[in-house]
Amino acid sequence: EAGVAQSPRYKIIEKRQSVAFWCNPISGHATLYWYQQILGQGPKLLIQFQNNGVVDDSQLPKDRFSAERLKGVDSTLKIQPAKLEDSAVYLCASTATDTQYFGPGTRLTVL
Amino acid sequence: AQTVTQSQPEMSVQEAETVTLSCTYDTSESDYYLFWYKQPPSRQMILVIRQEAYKQQNATENRFSVNFQKAAKSFSLKISDSQLGDAAMYFCAYRRYGGGSEKLVFGKGTKLTVNP
Repeated sequence: EAGVAQSPRYKIIEKRQSVAFWCNPISGHATLYWYQQILGQGPKLLIQFQNNGVVDDSQLPKDRFSAERLKGVDSTLKIQPAKLEDSAVYLCASTATDTQYFGPGTRLTVL
Repeated sequence: AQTVTQSQPEMSVQEAETVTLSCTYDTSESDYYLFWYKQPPSRQMILVIRQEAYKQQNATENRFSVNFQKAAKSFSLKISDSQLGDAAMYFCAYRRYGGGSEKLVFGKGTKLTVNP
């Protein structure tokens, strides 16, 4: 069974630029999550989708972050404009039951 | 709000020895899940073990076992016969049981070093 796929693996941008991350969950997983993991910390939920609807986006900085999940499968997370403090690893996870499975993450560096 | 605390930022163990990683959590709920995830330097977060709060029996997965103390809100991970491949960041995580938001709440992690 294929795991959660993410791309790109690494991204370096300058502040105020835009960036987008892509996630393809495990086939059949209705729930998809985006987490932000700042260096030295545990992941923090940014947004949760159930199929293509948003369940929880209370921690998403909506003035600069946006996310969508078209057709209830792939998802894209966008940052516009990026700030220095957005430097982190962005993890995508999916689940069909009680256990979340994570992708390899995208390491974002904002200069 | 639920919180998860890992009080050991770093731990080290000799190969083939046993090590225990600590985790405490705070919740007012009676039904929930607890997890230990492993994150090697490659960053892929891998599930190590999970525990349902309603189960009194401690979960085990090969060399990994937990000591779940519900009243004390403690959930430690024991790694037996440590191997070089066990070196990684280990995160303890909490998840509410049932509907609504199913997010994981993570601790800050413990970096485990395995010495040959």
